[in-house]
Amino acid sequence: GAVVSQHPSRVICKSGTSVKIECRSLDFQATTMFWYRQFPKQSLMLMATSNEGSKATYEQGVEKDKFLINHASLTLSTLTVTSAHPEDSSFYICSARDSRWQAFFGQGTRLTVV
Amino acid sequence: AQSVTQPDIHITVSEGASLELRCNYSYGATPYLFWYVQSPGQGLQLLLKYFSGDTLVQGIKGFEAEFKRSQSSFNLRKPSVHWSDAAEYFCAVGASQGYQKVTFGTGTKLQVIP
Repeated sequence: GAVVSQHPSRVICKSGTSVKIECRSLDFQATTMFWYRQFPKQSLMLMATSNEGSKATYEQGVEKDKFLINHASLTLSTLTVTSAHPEDSSFYICSARDSRWQAFFGQGTRLTVV
Repeated sequence: AQSVTQPDIHITVSEGASLELRCNYSYGATPYLFWYVQSPGQGLQLLLKYFSGDTLVQGIKGFEAEFKRSQSSFNLRKPSVHWSDAAEYFCAVGASQGYQKVTFGTGTKLQVIP
């Protein structure tokens, strides 16, 4: 099946710094990518939908100035957590949709803000 | 609003035994239903999906699920569990096959004992 690579898999950062997470579709073009957040013992919550070349659509309650999403190419979307705080610590997962509208998930990024 | 309930947080089965993971959904129209599996530290992998047609859906790794509209359920089954099936399983419901506005359940953690 198609492969979506997410990097890094784990990151620890200091409070107040910014962290960038990359999501790449390795063997297909993804016009649409999705970013999710998963809290411990909870389900995945959709944060935003990003379309290549246009601004991301954020879900209600998600701060777009805090979670910057860039989808500059058909194979790469990035999520930048700006001025991270401990409450931003979570598991972030991206998914990329191919031309047949099938979605493939990355392996996720465990963010810890200390 | 759509919602998904997975009533079992944790299930333990013996290797070789049968498995059924429960999923109930709430959605106003015909739902698009998915089952995903997440191994530790991994992203989500699609096991199977239901959009229309035959209500018994076959997936990968020997899994199947049955859509029962009258019960608003989409339970996942496997006749004989293998130790490698130990993982977390997520049921999800969406408004379309395009994975927009997909809502995930809270997951069921499966433990397989020898």
